[in-house]
Amino acid sequence: RKEVEQDPGPFNVPEGATVAFNCTYSNSASQSFFWYRQDCRKEPKLLMSVYSSGNEDGRFTAQLNRASQYISLLIRDSKLSDSATYLCVVISGGSNYKLTFGKGTLLTVNP
Amino acid sequence: DVKVTQSSRYLVKRTGEKVFLECVQDMDHENMFWYRQDPGLGLRLIYFSYDVKMKEKGDIPEGYSVSREKKERFSLILESASTNQTSMYLCASRAPTGFTEAFFGQGTRLTVV
Repeated sequence: RKEVEQDPGPFNVPEGATVAFNCTYSNSASQSFFWYRQDCRKEPKLLMSVYSSGNEDGRFTAQLNRASQYISLLIRDSKLSDSATYLCVVISGGSNYKLTFGKGTLLTVNP
Repeated sequence: DVKVTQSSRYLVKRTGEKVFLECVQDMDHENMFWYRQDPGLGLRLIYFSYDVKMKEKGDIPEGYSVSREKKERFSLILESASTNQTSMYLCASRAPTGFTEAFFGQGTRLTVV
């Protein structure tokens, strides 16, 4: 099993839609989790951290399920500007150093 | 404004050349990383460093080495470039605590011919 696995996508949704991405991780000792966003030909940038209790930032909601070892990202009321690749990131337990990325999910929001 | 700066955006090298990719950060971060990103494969960790002169192999270290002589600078070295090392290379840095963010450089697109 790969360390971090994501929905392969691509996702094509109309403006205003709600879309959800999931990501599973294999190391039960993993400590920290993030969602990053990467625009075409740009570097990844932090979208939001994922806290144990779940957290929300405007239209974006992140959830963590430690028992099932997955994290999720929900985007409500999609905008054209949400079109990007979304990457889940897991920091390995034990060292707190190694960042492991999922392969990313491409989202295209259509007018 | 925090910054991670990679020395080149685009680089073309010949097979067999020794290639140096430089990365500098101004945030006094202990941790620095080198990834390569390829279509369909995502970001794969080559090497990371958790302090000056300290380094650890990532998932795909073969054909690469690194150098961290100063805290702000992390260099990736391709000992003898090969065509299968044509890729986008991304450097990142991070403070080694909790939910701190990793910051990325703008990337170096390396083509080996």
